[in-house]
Amino acid sequence: DSGVTQTPKHLITATGQRVTLRCSPRSGDLSVYWYQQSLDQGLQFLIQYYNGEERAKGNILERFSAQQFPDLHSELNLSSLELGDSALYFCASSVTGRVNSPLHFGNGTRLTVT
Amino acid sequence: DQQVKQNSPSLSVQEGRISILNCDYTNSMFDYFLWYKKYPAEGPTFLISISSIKDKNEDGRFTVFLNKSAKHLSLHIVPSQPGDSAVYFCAASEGNNNDMRFGAGTRLTVKP
Repeated sequence: DSGVTQTPKHLITATGQRVTLRCSPRSGDLSVYWYQQSLDQGLQFLIQYYNGEERAKGNILERFSAQQFPDLHSELNLSSLELGDSALYFCASSVTGRVNSPLHFGNGTRLTVT
Repeated sequence: DQQVKQNSPSLSVQEGRISILNCDYTNSMFDYFLWYKKYPAEGPTFLISISSIKDKNEDGRFTVFLNKSAKHLSLHIVPSQPGDSAVYFCAASEGNNNDMRFGAGTRLTVKP
Protein backbone atom coordinates (compact mmCIF):
# COMPACT_ATOMS: atom_id res chain seq x y z
CA ASP A 1 0.00 0.00 0.00
CA SER A 2 1.58 3.25 -1.22
CA GLY A 3 -0.56 5.43 1.05
CA VAL A 4 -1.92 7.34 -1.94
CA THR A 5 -5.69 7.04 -2.34
CA GLN A 6 -7.50 7.62 -5.59
CA THR A 7 -11.24 7.69 -6.08
CA PRO A 8 -13.19 6.46 -7.87
CA LYS A 9 -11.48 3.30 -9.11
CA HIS A 10 -13.61 3.14 -12.22
CA LEU A 11 -15.61 5.73 -14.07
CA ILE A 12 -17.77 5.27 -17.14
CA THR A 13 -19.24 8.32 -18.79
CA ALA A 14 -20.38 9.65 -22.13
CA THR A 15 -18.68 11.99 -24.55
CA GLY A 16 -19.15 15.64 -23.76
CA GLN A 17 -19.48 15.04 -20.04
CA ARG A 18 -17.31 16.29 -17.19
CA VAL A 19 -15.75 14.21 -14.42
CA THR A 20 -13.65 14.84 -11.34
CA LEU A 21 -10.94 12.49 -10.15
CA ARG A 22 -9.77 12.74 -6.59
CA CYS A 23 -6.43 12.01 -4.95
CA SER A 24 -5.29 11.98 -1.33
CA PRO A 25 -1.50 11.98 -1.08
CA ARG A 26 0.59 9.94 1.30
CA SER A 27 0.73 11.45 4.78
CA GLY A 28 3.52 14.01 4.91
CA ASP A 29 3.89 14.37 1.14
CA LEU A 30 3.46 17.93 -0.07
CA SER A 31 3.62 17.34 -3.80
CA VAL A 32 1.01 15.73 -6.02
CA TYR A 33 1.43 14.66 -9.63
CA TRP A 34 -1.10 13.52 -12.21
CA TYR A 35 -0.27 11.09 -15.00
CA GLN A 36 -2.30 9.64 -17.84
CA GLN A 37 -1.66 6.16 -19.21
CA SER A 38 -3.40 5.31 -22.45
CA LEU A 39 -3.45 1.80 -23.86
CA ASP A 40 0.05 0.37 -24.37
CA GLN A 41 1.64 3.72 -23.75
CA GLY A 42 3.87 5.05 -21.04
CA LEU A 43 2.82 7.40 -18.32
CA GLN A 44 2.25 10.88 -19.67
CA PHE A 45 2.91 13.65 -17.17
CA LEU A 46 0.00 16.05 -16.87
CA ILE A 47 0.63 18.41 -13.98
CA GLN A 48 2.32 18.78 -10.59
CA TYR A 49 1.35 20.71 -7.48
CA TYR A 50 3.46 21.50 -4.46
CA ASN A 51 1.82 22.68 -1.24
CA GLY A 52 -1.18 24.04 -3.08
CA GLU A 53 0.60 25.73 -5.95
CA GLU A 54 1.18 24.56 -9.49
CA ARG A 55 4.82 23.67 -9.97
CA ALA A 56 5.09 22.02 -13.37
CA LYS A 57 2.87 21.42 -16.35
CA GLY A 58 3.15 18.71 -18.93
CA ASN A 59 0.96 17.65 -21.81
CA ILE A 60 -2.28 18.65 -20.16
CA LEU A 61 -5.13 19.59 -22.46
CA GLU A 62 -6.98 22.86 -21.98
CA ARG A 63 -10.12 20.82 -21.29
CA PHE A 64 -8.38 19.42 -18.22
CA SER A 65 -7.68 21.31 -15.02
CA ALA A 66 -6.47 20.44 -11.57
CA GLN A 67 -5.97 21.93 -8.16
CA GLN A 68 -4.49 21.06 -4.81
CA PHE A 69 -6.43 22.05 -1.73
CA PRO A 70 -5.17 23.30 1.66
CA ASP A 71 -5.49 19.79 3.08
CA LEU A 72 -3.19 18.71 0.20
CA HIS A 73 -5.67 16.50 -1.56
CA SER A 74 -5.95 17.12 -5.28
CA GLU A 75 -8.63 16.92 -7.92
CA LEU A 76 -8.28 16.50 -11.67
CA ASN A 77 -11.21 17.83 -13.67
CA LEU A 78 -11.78 16.53 -17.18
CA SER A 79 -14.41 18.27 -19.27
CA SER A 80 -15.92 17.95 -22.76
CA LEU A 81 -14.79 14.37 -22.69
CA GLU A 82 -13.80 12.62 -25.89
CA LEU A 83 -13.37 8.93 -26.65
CA GLY A 84 -9.61 9.42 -26.70
CA ASP A 85 -9.64 10.52 -23.06
CA SER A 86 -10.32 6.94 -22.04
CA ALA A 87 -7.26 5.98 -20.02
CA LEU A 88 -5.88 5.12 -16.64
CA TYR A 89 -5.22 8.24 -14.61
CA PHE A 90 -2.63 7.98 -11.87
CA CYS A 91 -1.97 10.30 -9.02
CA ALA A 92 1.41 10.23 -7.30
CA SER A 93 2.86 12.08 -4.36
CA SER A 94 6.32 12.83 -3.06
CA VAL A 95 7.79 14.53 -0.04
CA THR A 96 9.75 17.34 -1.66
CA GLY A 97 8.46 17.46 -5.20
CA ARG A 98 12.03 17.29 -6.49
CA VAL A 99 13.00 14.83 -9.18
CA ASN A 100 15.20 12.78 -6.84
CA SER A 101 12.29 12.24 -4.47
CA PRO A 102 10.66 8.99 -5.63
CA LEU A 103 7.01 9.08 -6.51
CA HIS A 104 4.43 7.05 -4.64
CA PHE A 105 1.57 6.15 -6.94
CA GLY A 106 -2.05 5.45 -6.23
CA ASN A 107 -3.80 2.53 -7.90
CA GLY A 108 -5.31 4.75 -10.55
CA THR A 109 -8.74 5.68 -11.82
CA ARG A 110 -9.81 3.91 -15.00
CA LEU A 111 -11.88 6.28 -17.11
CA THR A 112 -13.98 4.92 -19.93
CA VAL A 113 -15.66 7.40 -22.26
CA THR A 114 -18.40 5.92 -24.42
CA ASP B 1 7.54 12.72 -28.70
CA GLN B 2 8.96 9.60 -27.18
CA GLN B 3 12.09 10.79 -25.44
CA VAL B 4 12.28 7.60 -23.42
CA LYS B 5 11.93 4.32 -25.26
CA GLN B 6 11.60 0.78 -24.08
CA ASN B 7 11.76 -1.15 -27.31
CA SER B 8 10.94 -4.56 -25.87
CA PRO B 9 7.27 -4.78 -24.90
CA SER B 10 7.86 -8.10 -23.20
CA LEU B 11 10.57 -10.36 -21.83
CA SER B 12 10.39 -13.92 -20.55
CA VAL B 13 13.08 -15.37 -18.29
CA GLN B 14 13.56 -18.58 -16.36
CA GLU B 15 13.61 -18.37 -12.58
CA GLY B 16 17.14 -17.99 -11.25
CA ARG B 17 18.51 -16.48 -14.44
CA ILE B 18 19.31 -12.86 -15.14
CA SER B 19 16.68 -10.44 -16.45
CA ILE B 20 17.96 -7.48 -18.45
CA LEU B 21 15.53 -4.70 -19.24
CA ASN B 22 16.68 -1.96 -21.57
CA CYS B 23 15.83 1.69 -21.98
CA ASP B 24 17.03 4.29 -24.47
CA TYR B 25 16.61 8.04 -24.33
CA THR B 26 17.09 10.82 -26.81
CA ASN B 27 17.44 13.91 -24.61
CA SER B 28 21.09 14.35 -23.66
CA MET B 29 20.03 16.77 -20.93
CA PHE B 30 18.41 14.00 -18.89
CA ASP B 31 20.44 13.55 -15.74
CA TYR B 32 18.33 11.46 -13.41
CA PHE B 33 16.85 8.08 -14.18
CA LEU B 34 14.50 5.79 -12.32
CA TRP B 35 12.93 2.39 -12.68
CA TYR B 36 9.41 1.65 -11.48
CA LYS B 37 7.69 -1.71 -11.24
CA LYS B 38 3.97 -2.15 -11.74
CA TYR B 39 1.76 -5.08 -10.80
CA PRO B 40 -1.74 -5.45 -12.31
CA ALA B 41 -4.40 -3.26 -10.73
CA GLU B 42 -1.78 -1.33 -8.76
CA GLY B 43 0.14 1.87 -9.32
CA PRO B 44 3.84 1.83 -10.19
CA THR B 45 6.26 1.50 -7.29
CA PHE B 46 9.74 2.94 -7.18
CA LEU B 47 12.50 0.39 -7.62
CA ILE B 48 15.88 2.03 -8.12
CA SER B 49 17.39 5.24 -9.45
CA ILE B 50 20.67 6.55 -10.81
CA SER B 51 22.14 9.98 -11.27
CA SER B 52 24.11 10.84 -14.39
CA ILE B 53 27.26 11.26 -12.32
CA LYS B 54 27.28 7.51 -11.80
CA ASP B 55 27.34 4.62 -14.21
CA LYS B 56 26.07 1.94 -11.85
CA ASN B 57 23.81 1.68 -8.85
CA GLU B 58 23.05 -1.52 -7.02
CA ASP B 59 20.32 -2.45 -4.56
CA GLY B 60 20.17 -6.10 -3.64
CA ARG B 61 19.20 -8.14 -6.68
CA PHE B 62 18.66 -5.01 -8.76
CA THR B 63 21.39 -3.10 -10.57
CA VAL B 64 20.95 -0.19 -12.94
CA PHE B 65 23.66 0.62 -15.47
CA LEU B 66 23.89 3.95 -17.26
CA ASN B 67 25.80 4.51 -20.50
CA LYS B 68 25.61 8.22 -21.14
CA SER B 69 27.45 8.18 -24.43
CA ALA B 70 24.98 5.64 -25.81
CA LYS B 71 22.03 7.26 -24.03
CA HIS B 72 21.14 3.87 -22.72
CA LEU B 73 20.33 2.40 -19.37
CA SER B 74 19.52 -1.10 -18.29
CA LEU B 75 18.10 -2.83 -15.27
CA HIS B 76 19.56 -6.17 -14.26
CA ILE B 77 17.72 -8.50 -11.94
CA VAL B 78 19.78 -11.36 -10.58
CA PRO B 79 18.57 -13.92 -9.75
CA SER B 80 15.10 -13.46 -11.22
CA GLN B 81 12.17 -14.67 -9.16
CA PRO B 82 8.54 -15.35 -10.16
CA GLY B 83 7.48 -12.44 -7.93
CA ASP B 84 9.47 -10.12 -10.19
CA SER B 85 6.88 -10.69 -12.93
CA ALA B 86 5.49 -7.21 -13.57
CA VAL B 87 5.67 -4.30 -15.98
CA TYR B 88 8.84 -2.25 -15.60
CA PHE B 89 8.91 1.42 -16.53
CA CYS B 90 12.01 3.45 -17.16
CA ALA B 91 11.79 7.18 -16.39
CA ALA B 92 14.09 10.15 -16.93
CA SER B 93 14.20 13.80 -15.97
CA GLU B 94 16.31 16.85 -16.66
CA GLY B 95 17.74 19.06 -13.95
CA ASN B 96 15.01 20.37 -11.70
CA ASN B 97 12.40 19.86 -14.36
CA ASN B 98 9.64 17.84 -12.75
CA ASP B 99 8.30 16.73 -16.11
CA MET B 100 9.50 13.17 -15.71
CA ARG B 101 9.31 11.16 -18.94
CA PHE B 102 8.30 7.53 -18.81
CA GLY B 103 8.85 4.76 -21.31
CA ALA B 104 6.00 2.53 -22.46
CA GLY B 105 7.09 -0.29 -20.17
CA THR B 106 8.38 -3.84 -20.56
CA ARG B 107 6.36 -6.77 -19.27
CA LEU B 108 8.67 -9.22 -17.53
CA THR B 109 7.54 -12.78 -16.97
CA VAL B 110 9.70 -14.99 -14.78
CA LYS B 111 8.83 -18.66 -15.26
CA PRO B 112 9.29 -21.13 -12.39
